Amino acid sequence: DTEVTQTPKHLVMGMTNKKSLKCEQHMGHRAMYWYKQKAKKPPELMFVYSYEKLSINESVPSRFSPECPNSSLLNLHLHALQPEDSALYLCASSQERGSAGELFFGEGSRLTVL
Amino acid sequence: AQSVTQLDSQVPVFEEAPVELRCNYSSSVSVYLFWYVQYPNQGLQLLLKYLSGSTLVKGINGFEAEFNKSQTSFHLRKPSVHISDTAEYFCAVSPLSGGSYIPTFGRGTSLIVHP
Repeated sequence: DTEVTQTPKHLVMGMTNKKSLKCEQHMGHRAMYWYKQKAKKPPELMFVYSYEKLSINESVPSRFSPECPNSSLLNLHLHALQPEDSALYLCASSQERGSAGELFFGEGSRLTVL
Repeated sequence: AQSVTQLDSQVPVFEEAPVELRCNYSSSVSVYLFWYVQYPNQGLQLLLKYLSGSTLVKGINGFEAEFNKSQTSFHLRKPSVHISDTAEYFCAVSPLSGGSYIPTFGRGTSLIVHP
Protein backbone atom coordinates (compact mmCIF):
# COMPACT_ATOMS: atom_id res chain seq x y z
CA ASP A 1 0.00 0.00 0.00
CA THR A 2 1.28 3.44 -0.95
CA GLU A 3 1.81 5.94 1.84
CA VAL A 4 1.33 8.84 -0.52
CA THR A 5 -2.35 9.35 -1.23
CA GLN A 6 -3.60 11.20 -4.28
CA THR A 7 -7.15 12.34 -5.04
CA PRO A 8 -9.00 12.12 -7.28
CA LYS A 9 -7.77 9.03 -9.12
CA HIS A 10 -9.50 10.16 -12.30
CA LEU A 11 -10.53 13.63 -13.42
CA VAL A 12 -12.19 14.80 -16.62
CA MET A 13 -12.38 18.52 -17.19
CA GLY A 14 -13.11 21.01 -19.91
CA MET A 15 -10.67 23.65 -21.01
CA THR A 16 -12.51 26.37 -19.09
CA ASN A 17 -12.82 24.49 -15.81
CA LYS A 18 -10.89 25.01 -12.60
CA LYS A 19 -10.00 21.90 -10.64
CA SER A 20 -7.43 20.75 -8.12
CA LEU A 21 -5.38 17.63 -7.52
CA LYS A 22 -4.52 16.75 -3.94
CA CYS A 23 -1.69 14.79 -2.40
CA GLU A 24 -1.12 13.79 1.20
CA GLN A 25 1.69 11.97 3.00
CA HIS A 26 2.11 11.12 6.68
CA MET A 27 5.69 9.86 6.64
CA GLY A 28 7.13 13.10 7.98
CA HIS A 29 8.79 13.81 4.65
CA ARG A 30 9.82 17.41 4.09
CA ALA A 31 10.17 17.38 0.30
CA MET A 32 7.23 16.89 -2.06
CA TYR A 33 7.10 16.74 -5.83
CA TRP A 34 4.71 16.91 -8.75
CA TYR A 35 5.48 14.90 -11.88
CA LYS A 36 3.64 14.62 -15.18
CA GLN A 37 3.74 11.32 -17.03
CA LYS A 38 2.56 10.59 -20.54
CA ALA A 39 1.87 7.00 -21.63
CA LYS A 40 4.99 4.85 -22.03
CA LYS A 41 7.23 7.75 -20.98
CA PRO A 42 9.24 8.46 -17.84
CA PRO A 43 7.89 10.96 -15.30
CA GLU A 44 8.72 14.61 -16.01
CA LEU A 45 9.43 16.81 -13.04
CA MET A 46 7.13 19.84 -12.65
CA PHE A 47 7.61 21.25 -9.14
CA VAL A 48 9.52 20.56 -5.95
CA TYR A 49 8.64 21.84 -2.50
CA SER A 50 11.21 21.67 0.26
CA TYR A 51 10.11 22.53 3.79
CA GLU A 52 6.87 23.91 2.34
CA LYS A 53 8.64 26.36 0.05
CA LEU A 54 8.74 26.07 -3.71
CA SER A 55 12.33 25.24 -4.59
CA ILE A 56 12.08 24.04 -8.19
CA ASN A 57 9.70 25.04 -10.99
CA GLU A 58 10.66 23.33 -14.23
CA SER A 59 9.29 26.14 -16.43
CA VAL A 60 5.76 24.83 -16.09
CA PRO A 61 2.97 26.92 -17.72
CA SER A 62 1.07 29.16 -15.32
CA ARG A 63 -2.14 27.21 -15.91
CA PHE A 64 -0.63 24.80 -13.39
CA SER A 65 -0.38 26.34 -9.92
CA PRO A 66 1.12 24.36 -7.02
CA GLU A 67 0.40 24.95 -3.37
CA CYS A 68 1.83 23.42 -0.21
CA PRO A 69 -0.47 24.34 2.72
CA ASN A 70 1.58 22.31 5.24
CA SER A 71 4.26 19.66 5.37
CA SER A 72 1.79 16.84 4.70
CA LEU A 73 -0.26 18.32 1.87
CA LEU A 74 0.45 19.28 -1.69
CA ASN A 75 -2.08 20.63 -4.17
CA LEU A 76 -1.96 21.27 -7.89
CA HIS A 77 -4.51 23.82 -9.08
CA LEU A 78 -5.55 23.52 -12.71
CA HIS A 79 -7.07 26.25 -14.84
CA ALA A 80 -7.62 26.72 -18.57
CA LEU A 81 -5.84 23.50 -19.45
CA GLN A 82 -5.26 22.24 -22.96
CA PRO A 83 -5.99 18.73 -24.32
CA GLU A 84 -2.24 18.06 -24.46
CA ASP A 85 -2.17 18.41 -20.67
CA SER A 86 -4.00 15.09 -20.43
CA ALA A 87 -1.66 12.77 -18.54
CA LEU A 88 -1.03 10.92 -15.30
CA TYR A 89 -0.02 13.36 -12.56
CA LEU A 90 2.15 11.81 -9.90
CA CYS A 91 2.90 13.16 -6.47
CA ALA A 92 6.02 12.00 -4.65
CA SER A 93 7.78 12.71 -1.39
CA SER A 94 11.22 12.19 0.12
CA GLN A 95 12.64 12.57 3.60
CA GLU A 96 14.13 15.89 2.71
CA ARG A 97 15.81 17.56 -0.17
CA GLY A 98 18.96 15.65 -0.98
CA SER A 99 17.98 12.38 0.73
CA ALA A 100 19.76 10.15 -1.78
CA GLY A 101 17.04 10.77 -4.34
CA GLU A 102 14.73 8.00 -3.10
CA LEU A 103 11.18 9.02 -3.89
CA PHE A 104 7.90 7.61 -2.63
CA PHE A 105 5.16 7.93 -5.23
CA GLY A 106 1.40 8.03 -5.03
CA GLU A 107 -0.74 6.10 -7.48
CA GLY A 108 -1.41 9.18 -9.53
CA SER A 109 -4.34 11.20 -10.78
CA ARG A 110 -5.27 10.51 -14.38
CA LEU A 111 -6.38 13.75 -15.99
CA THR A 112 -8.33 14.03 -19.23
CA VAL A 113 -8.86 17.48 -20.72
CA LEU A 114 -11.65 17.71 -23.26
CA ALA B 1 24.63 16.69 -15.60
CA GLN B 2 23.78 13.04 -15.84
CA SER B 3 21.94 10.87 -18.32
CA VAL B 4 20.47 7.38 -18.27
CA THR B 5 20.16 5.00 -21.20
CA GLN B 6 17.84 2.04 -21.17
CA LEU B 7 18.64 0.40 -24.47
CA ASP B 8 15.63 -1.91 -24.59
CA SER B 9 12.21 -0.31 -24.86
CA GLN B 10 10.51 -3.69 -24.60
CA VAL B 11 11.65 -7.09 -23.32
CA PRO B 12 9.36 -10.08 -23.92
CA VAL B 13 10.09 -13.21 -21.92
CA PHE B 14 8.36 -16.45 -21.00
CA GLU B 15 7.29 -17.17 -17.45
CA GLU B 16 9.99 -18.79 -15.27
CA ALA B 17 12.76 -17.66 -17.64
CA PRO B 18 15.56 -15.36 -16.45
CA VAL B 19 15.59 -11.72 -17.47
CA GLU B 20 18.05 -8.84 -17.58
CA LEU B 21 17.05 -5.22 -18.10
CA ARG B 22 19.95 -3.03 -19.08
CA CYS B 23 20.80 0.41 -17.77
CA ASN B 24 23.84 2.55 -18.56
CA TYR B 25 24.46 6.00 -17.20
CA SER B 26 26.70 8.98 -17.75
CA SER B 27 27.69 11.46 -15.07
CA SER B 28 30.55 13.81 -14.25
CA VAL B 29 30.10 13.11 -10.52
CA SER B 30 29.45 10.03 -8.43
CA VAL B 31 25.84 8.94 -8.37
CA TYR B 32 23.24 6.97 -6.51
CA LEU B 33 21.44 4.43 -8.68
CA PHE B 34 17.85 3.20 -8.55
CA TRP B 35 15.40 0.90 -10.24
CA TYR B 36 11.71 1.73 -10.00
CA VAL B 37 8.79 -0.41 -11.18
CA GLN B 38 5.44 0.85 -12.40
CA TYR B 39 2.58 -1.63 -12.63
CA PRO B 40 -0.35 -0.73 -14.92
CA ASN B 41 -2.39 2.20 -13.63
CA GLN B 42 -0.16 2.73 -10.61
CA GLY B 43 2.61 5.02 -9.47
CA LEU B 44 6.29 4.15 -9.31
CA GLN B 45 7.64 1.90 -6.58
CA LEU B 46 11.28 1.54 -5.59
CA LEU B 47 12.67 -1.91 -6.44
CA LEU B 48 16.21 -1.39 -5.21
CA LYS B 49 18.95 1.17 -4.86
CA TYR B 50 22.72 1.41 -4.82
CA LEU B 51 24.21 4.04 -2.55
CA SER B 52 27.62 2.56 -1.66
CA GLY B 53 29.27 -0.65 -0.52
CA SER B 54 28.60 -4.02 -2.12
CA THR B 55 28.05 -3.70 -5.85
CA LEU B 56 25.41 -6.44 -5.86
CA VAL B 57 22.15 -5.07 -4.57
CA LYS B 58 19.10 -7.14 -3.74
CA GLY B 59 15.62 -5.67 -3.93
CA ILE B 60 12.01 -6.64 -3.56
CA ASN B 61 10.23 -9.39 -5.50
CA GLY B 62 13.43 -11.35 -6.14
CA PHE B 63 15.14 -8.69 -8.24
CA GLU B 64 18.81 -7.80 -7.97
CA ALA B 65 21.14 -5.41 -9.75
CA GLU B 66 24.87 -5.08 -10.07
CA PHE B 67 26.71 -1.78 -10.15
CA ASN B 68 29.66 -1.77 -12.53
CA LYS B 69 31.58 1.47 -12.22
CA SER B 70 34.02 0.79 -15.07
CA GLN B 71 31.17 0.09 -17.49
CA THR B 72 28.88 2.70 -15.90
CA SER B 73 26.11 0.13 -15.81
CA PHE B 74 23.43 -0.94 -13.36
CA HIS B 75 21.64 -3.88 -14.95
CA LEU B 76 18.58 -5.40 -13.31
CA ARG B 77 18.17 -9.19 -13.17
CA LYS B 78 15.73 -11.80 -12.01
CA PRO B 79 16.47 -15.55 -12.29
CA SER B 80 12.84 -16.59 -12.84
CA VAL B 81 10.08 -14.17 -13.78
CA HIS B 82 6.39 -14.42 -13.04
CA ILE B 83 3.39 -13.12 -14.96
CA SER B 84 2.92 -10.52 -12.22
CA ASP B 85 6.32 -8.99 -13.08
CA THR B 86 4.80 -7.54 -16.25
CA ALA B 87 5.33 -3.81 -15.78
CA GLU B 88 7.36 -0.78 -16.81
CA TYR B 89 10.82 -0.56 -15.26
CA PHE B 90 12.70 2.72 -14.89
CA CYS B 91 16.36 3.13 -14.10
CA ALA B 92 17.29 6.40 -12.38
CA VAL B 93 20.43 8.18 -11.18
CA SER B 94 20.85 10.93 -8.63
CA PRO B 95 24.10 12.86 -8.15
CA LEU B 96 25.90 12.76 -4.81
CA SER B 97 26.94 16.36 -5.23
CA GLY B 98 26.54 19.37 -7.47
CA GLY B 99 23.39 20.81 -5.99
CA SER B 100 20.76 18.95 -8.00
CA TYR B 101 19.70 15.84 -6.14
CA ILE B 102 16.67 15.24 -8.37
CA PRO B 103 16.84 11.80 -9.99
CA THR B 104 17.13 11.54 -13.75
CA PHE B 105 15.01 8.74 -15.19
CA GLY B 106 15.69 6.54 -18.17
CA ARG B 107 12.99 6.17 -20.81
CA GLY B 108 11.78 2.90 -19.30
CA THR B 109 11.73 -0.76 -20.34
CA SER B 110 8.48 -2.59 -20.70
CA LEU B 111 8.82 -6.15 -19.39
CA ILE B 112 6.21 -8.44 -20.87
CA VAL B 113 5.98 -11.91 -19.34
CA HIS B 114 4.17 -14.51 -21.44
CA PRO B 115 2.66 -17.71 -19.99
